[in-house]
Amino acid sequence: IQLTQSPSLLSASVGDRVTLSCKGSQNINNYLAWYQQKLGEAPKLLIYKTNSLQTGIPSRFSGSGSGTDYTLTISSLHSEDLATYYCYQYNNGWTFGGGTKLELK
Amino acid sequence: QVQLKESGPGLVQPSQTLSLTCTVSGFSLTSYNVHWVRQPPGKGLEWMGRMRYNGDTSYNSALKSRLSISRDTSKNQVFLKMNSLQTDDTGTYYCTRGMGARDYFDYWGQGVMVTVSS
Repeated sequence: IQLTQSPSLLSASVGDRVTLSCKGSQNINNYLAWYQQKLGEAPKLLIYKTNSLQTGIPSRFSGSGSGTDYTLTISSLHSEDLATYYCYQYNNGWTFGGGTKLELK
Repeated sequence: QVQLKESGPGLVQPSQTLSLTCTVSGFSLTSYNVHWVRQPPGKGLEWMGRMRYNGDTSYNSALKSRLSISRDTSKNQVFLKMNSLQTDDTGTYYCTRGMGARDYFDYWGQGVMVTVSS
């Protein structure tokens, strides 16, 4: 299964509501996770099984979707949220999307 | 607490074999799967392969002919070996723990940077 993330680069301001998209080439059956990666660090799990918030992750992060189309939403952007975000499917094998880099406008 | 730590050479010559070790603590290799993921500089994440809790392995089809994953449960270690290295194998290599019925990754090692160069 191939994953396509859009946009590849997103400019936003602190306080903005931000939406990142991930589209699969086949049905993912909700086995979709989101990772945040800051420069020089390992990826960090934010969301698993489409909309389950990993322990310790702020509630401003949420996930949704079904079938082939999934979304990560940050309800109010904080400066520490600036990072690259990857979606990841584990329904059929294991693959990552190409990433969305979130930068300050 | 759960920890994973990668170790291995930082520099490998082209055509040579890469050997990496992932040492885990806080969980058992006979209860959880461990995966390897790599990332070229400035690029995205690529899944490489998996060591299942029962000793079975799975590999990325693009790497399968060059890649081998094994383990030593007595030492809490998972090993990655990849031969015929080229410059585009340069990057950071991570081991990570699989969670749930189909393996999403909840804990990651810090990563080890590998440069393929003569």
